[in-house]
Amino acid sequence: AQRVTQPEKLLSVFKGAPVELKCNYSYSGSPELFWYVQYSRQRLQLLLRHISRESIKGFTADLNKGETSFHLKKPFAQEEDSAMYYCALRLGGGSNYKLTFGKGTLLTVNP
Amino acid sequence: DTGVSQNPRHKITKRGQNVTFRCDPISEHNRLYWYRQTLGQGPEFLTYFQNEAQLEKSRLLSDRFSAERPKGSFSTLEIQRTEQGDSAMYLCASSTRGPEAFFGQGTRLTVV
Repeated sequence: AQRVTQPEKLLSVFKGAPVELKCNYSYSGSPELFWYVQYSRQRLQLLLRHISRESIKGFTADLNKGETSFHLKKPFAQEEDSAMYYCALRLGGGSNYKLTFGKGTLLTVNP
Repeated sequence: DTGVSQNPRHKITKRGQNVTFRCDPISEHNRLYWYRQTLGQGPEFLTYFQNEAQLEKSRLLSDRFSAERPKGSFSTLEIQRTEQGDSAMYLCASSTRGPEAFFGQGTRLTVV
């Protein structure tokens, strides 16, 4: 069965430090991977997806099929990056974009 | 706010009672999803609608759960004979053709 693993429940860094949130997945097909973010008292929202290969708010993520990973990285963390981050995997094709989420990592960026 | 709207935001109910939640998606979105999130977990897929058709249901959706989306607009999720294990955040999301799902703020259910 498909699975998304985020090994760190909590991650704390200082402002200006690099940050990497880990995500590993297990899926036999060709996955689509996403990172969703939830800021305090806000709704869950899409941060980025691997297909677009873009940088959002300074974050990037590269799909590594060999290591089945999709780690989220930012070279210089900001206090406003403090949030809950979820890695998610979309299964199959067609019109159904149901997602399998990891358990999430709570990132705290300290001043 | 023109995003996905969910009502009520909070619901406390006694075990054995029935509850119904409502989701109003973004108006032009034809796809609608329900997820459930318990403490310390990520959202888990429950069911998916395309327009008014319910195209997929998770095994998590027991016989006590039913979801509808009449006329392909708003959706309701009903839980009959609630159990304490049903306590969770119920999230609704909608989308158009692309993969980005827009989430509502959720309905937090507490079964006492």
